[in-house]
Amino acid sequence: DTGVSQDPRHKITKRGQNVTFRCDPISEHNRLYWYRQTLGQGPEFLTYFQNEAQLEKSRLLSDRFSAERPKGSFSTLEIQRTEQGDSAMYLCASSLGLQGGLGEQYFGPGTRLTVT
Amino acid sequence: AQSVSQHNHHVILSEAASLELGCNYSYGGTVNLFWYVQYPGQHLQLLLKYFSGDPLVKGIKGFEAEFIKSKFSFNLRKPSVQWSDTAEYFCAVNPNTGGFKTIFGAGTRLFVKA
Repeated sequence: DTGVSQDPRHKITKRGQNVTFRCDPISEHNRLYWYRQTLGQGPEFLTYFQNEAQLEKSRLLSDRFSAERPKGSFSTLEIQRTEQGDSAMYLCASSLGLQGGLGEQYFGPGTRLTVT
Repeated sequence: AQSVSQHNHHVILSEAASLELGCNYSYGGTVNLFWYVQYPGQHLQLLLKYFSGDPLVKGIKGFEAEFIKSKFSFNLRKPSVQWSDTAEYFCAVNPNTGGFKTIFGAGTRLFVKA
């Protein structure tokens, strides 16, 4: 069990550029979550995948944000035309879906995005 | 809108003091409840969870939490804190509506003086 990994750990980009983050969940976990965390706040839910299907999206996820999990393994989160307000820590978590249950979420180290 | 409130943003205690961190949520239906902890330089990790059954839940490292449905609360407690408990603690709620959205509180930073 190598845990949830995220790449890159840090990203600095200029306003208007596109960025893509990757998350590799724990291998047997079928559920994957993306969160955004800003200073002084708890993680805010962005989206959730069960296998390759994106089942839930927050209203926070504007049309500049897109997430994929093409083969039900790793996931990518892309932000197009970045804005300074996108600066945050982007967290990925995975869990093993229990029948009808939520399951414990295991978090990765996060990708810290700074938009200049 | 559903929300989670953590009463204290910063708490400073001396070693061996007792700890209670407040958490209230706003959702009238059935909920799953969690406390997560983030130690300095580490990932968020689960401290304890409540899904159903005994409202007094025991977690790792001597922590426990009590679910009081009538008060919409899920307070975290530890009888005697240690310097190694210095961390940020997050209360989280999943409204049990069949979805998987988890709502986190803003967190409480605990500093334990040796």
